[in-house]
Amino acid sequence: DAGVTQSPTHLIKTRGQHVTLRCSPISGHKSVSWYQQVLGQGPQFIFQYYEKEERGRGNFPDRFSARQFPNYSSELNVNALLLGDSALYLCASSLVFSDTQYFGPGTRLTVL
Amino acid sequence: EDKVVQSPLSLVVHEGDTVTLNCSYEVTNFRSLLWYKQEKKAPTFLFMLTSSGIEKKSGRLSSILDKKELFSILNITATQTGDSAVYLCAVDNDYKLSFGAGTTVTVRA
Repeated sequence: DAGVTQSPTHLIKTRGQHVTLRCSPISGHKSVSWYQQVLGQGPQFIFQYYEKEERGRGNFPDRFSARQFPNYSSELNVNALLLGDSALYLCASSLVFSDTQYFGPGTRLTVL
Repeated sequence: EDKVVQSPLSLVVHEGDTVTLNCSYEVTNFRSLLWYKQEKKAPTFLFMLTSSGIEKKSGRLSSILDKKELFSILNITATQTGDSAVYLCAVDNDYKLSFGAGTTVTVRA
């Protein structure tokens, strides 16, 4: 079975630009969560979506937004990029929102 | 604010040694505690613990939870170089995982 997939693998942006990251959950999983992992730290929760509805949001500014599509895939959008947004962005999926979360390989974002 | 603290931050051992990793937590609405192994990018799931005192085992790895003292330990016996990784502890409080900073384990041949 395919695991969680994310695209792109890595990308480089400049300050002020916006970026869209994509995630496809494990087949049958209906919940997707997004995390930001800065070098040397543990992942920080950004959003959780279940059945296309936002269930939770972490302490991130409004520049961060996300959505989940009818096929349960998800997008994370970040506007007005700052240098501090440089990080590994991880997507995790679970059968339902209360189940074990399985992570994808992440997207490495570098903001110059 | 939720707090998850892991110790030590890093350690170096030789093949065959036993490693004990610690995780303490203070969170609201505790549902479960999870351990993940992160080698390059994707954290891979190791254990989920929900009940105190019940040890979970998978090969050379084992873990236990103490909900009274609010901590968990992860043991790795007979370490191998392939065990070198960052080990992450996370607490599930309904809709999100709160992670510790991780423990970097380096196993030398």
